[in-house]
Amino acid sequence: SQQGEEDPQALSIQEGENATMNCSYKTSINNLQWYRQNSGRGLVHLILIRSNEREKHSGRLRVTLDTSKKSSSLLITASRAADTASYFCATPGPARQLTFGSGTQLTVLP
Amino acid sequence: DAGVIQSPRHEVTEMGQEVTLRCKPISGHDYLFWYRQTMMRGLELLIYFNNNVPIDDSGMPEDRFSAKMPNASFSTLKIQPSEPRDSAVYFCASSLGLAANTGELFFGEGSRLTVL
Repeated sequence: SQQGEEDPQALSIQEGENATMNCSYKTSINNLQWYRQNSGRGLVHLILIRSNEREKHSGRLRVTLDTSKKSSSLLITASRAADTASYFCATPGPARQLTFGSGTQLTVLP
Repeated sequence: DAGVIQSPRHEVTEMGQEVTLRCKPISGHDYLFWYRQTMMRGLELLIYFNNNVPIDDSGMPEDRFSAKMPNASFSTLKIQPSEPRDSAVYFCASSLGLAANTGELFFGEGSRLTVL
């Protein structure tokens, strides 16, 4: 079963706008990760945030984590057409493996 | 490093045929994972290995599925006999240390399987 669930399922924005995706999870975690998947390709790791961190930045990416609400958000600032992809959150599962959410399909229109 | 290498990239076969998917993990990585991705079920973990030993195969859907890792640089996922519902993209991924703890799972480009 999936631990994380992303919201929204699909998001369409104009180039230059910011994109925000949310992830909710069910059980306590020690970290949460975000991955990107371009169409027809494998997933690529973007960023990891640990449970004792509230916010983390990497380039145009900003991730927040609220362990009390069991939720995380991924913000992509000044989006580009090349950011068009599916974005997944991933959390450690019961067997110590990574469990992925259902993903948010982001479309950035030029 | 070339990254995780999977073959074939695409496979079309008929129901009842045997399918073998192959994976070469990143050199030095001690964990290897097989995932399956479908529109309906998303990304599902099938099995993972640590130092070539299967650790958790609870995600393997049926006895028709089997996976091996004979050495640190090669793994196979076999489906015999294949069925149309096995149609999916199968990903191999590897990590140094358990990605659930340390982060960064490296994925291959996937093998898209179509069973007619």
